Amino acid sequence: GAGVSQSPRYKVTKRGQDVALRCDPISGHVSLYWYRQALGQGPEFLTYFNYEAQQDKSGLPNDRFSAERPEGSISTLTIQRTEQRDSAMYRCASSRQALQETQYFGPGTRLLVL
Amino acid sequence: GQQVMQIPQYQHVQEGEDFTTYCNSSTTLSNIQWYKQRPGGHPVFLIQLVKSGEVKKQKRLTFQFGEAKKNSSLHITATQTTDVGTYFCAYAISGGYNKLIFGAGTRLAVHP
Repeated sequence: GAGVSQSPRYKVTKRGQDVALRCDPISGHVSLYWYRQALGQGPEFLTYFNYEAQQDKSGLPNDRFSAERPEGSISTLTIQRTEQRDSAMYRCASSRQALQETQYFGPGTRLLVL
Repeated sequence: GQQVMQIPQYQHVQEGEDFTTYCNSSTTLSNIQWYKQRPGGHPVFLIQLVKSGEVKKQKRLTFQFGEAKKNSSLHITATQTTDVGTYFCAYAISGGYNKLIFGAGTRLAVHP
């Protein structure tokens, strides 16, 4: 079975541009999480979806960040008007149920804002 | 928010030596999870501990949760080059789903 996939794997953009990062969770997984991981640090929670409902967006840094999961499967994290400080690895994780302890992480999208 | 501190930040050992990483919190945790991230890879779930004083083993890996549920440790016996990577502890904030708060990780290098 396929794991969590993310695209693109690498994204280089210029400051001020918008970017959209895609996450395709494991089929049938209800819960989907977005994290951001700076170099040498652990993942930092951004937002959580239960099916299509965004139940927690407390970790989104500011209103330039948004996420959606319209059909309860694929999710998109959008960063508008990117800034250099947005450069990081963006990781998606999914789990079968909301309280299942095992989260399966994707390979991440490395974003570089010039 | 509540943090978990991991020590050491970095450790290098000779193959065959033991390795231990510690995860500490100033407040009581309901659970602790451990993840391994290989160089260039993504975090992979290893285990979850929930009970005070709990000890779990996975082959050469031994995980402990402190009696006060404020600290945890991961011990690797007789390290191998395949153990190389960063080990993260994390705890889940309860609330109907597993919002994970990660430590900064301990990076392990194993010299053959």
